[in-house]
Amino acid sequence: GDSVTQMEGPVTLSEEAFLTINCTYTATGYPSLFWYVQYPGEGLQLLLKATKADDKGSNKGFEATYRKETTSFHLEKGSVQVSDSAVYFCALSGRTFGTGTKLQVIP
Amino acid sequence: IAGITQAPTSQILAAGRRMTLRCTQDMRHNAMYWYRQDLGLGLRLIHYSNTAGTTGKGEVPDGYSVSRANTDDFPLTLASAVPSQTSVYFCASSSTGQQSTDTQYFGPGTRLTVL
Repeated sequence: GDSVTQMEGPVTLSEEAFLTINCTYTATGYPSLFWYVQYPGEGLQLLLKATKADDKGSNKGFEATYRKETTSFHLEKGSVQVSDSAVYFCALSGRTFGTGTKLQVIP
Repeated sequence: IAGITQAPTSQILAAGRRMTLRCTQDMRHNAMYWYRQDLGLGLRLIHYSNTAGTTGKGEVPDGYSVSRANTDDFPLTLASAVPSQTSVYFCASSSTGQQSTDTQYFGPGTRLTVL
């Protein structure tokens, strides 16, 4: 069946550091891929998504490119801020979620 | 615009008791979902509904039931709670129920503890 694997956390970075959170997937057909973010004490909210191969989703300085050849959708940000501290979930076609990666950014 | 509301915010429940978690959305979305979030396991789908009057089982449906009498409400019932159902429960909705491209919108969650 469909599945998503994302890197274990927590990830601790200093402010302005470069962020990569890896996500790979297994699926039949041509799924859409999503990154959701969960801030402390809140529900998940969409960060970005891509619906077909080679699409790049972007929002709030975060980017991820749908790579069909490597079945990956890695999340990147060039310069993280303390306010980016949250748990990040990779998701496949909306209903299959990874286990989440906690990001902590320290000043 | 409220989006999705869930009630209660948190609850401590004795094992064996019946409990209904409430979820209401005001976005007129067709599809609704219930997930549980457990440390190290991420979000797992319990039940879903693609449209009013229909429901389906997700990855972990045992011990839970749902109903979808109208578009706005999607309650989740634990008929006889057990400690393994201690979790944070999230309700979500999406506009069309076409899981391949739909963005889901999440409620704030209900933290349930079963003793």
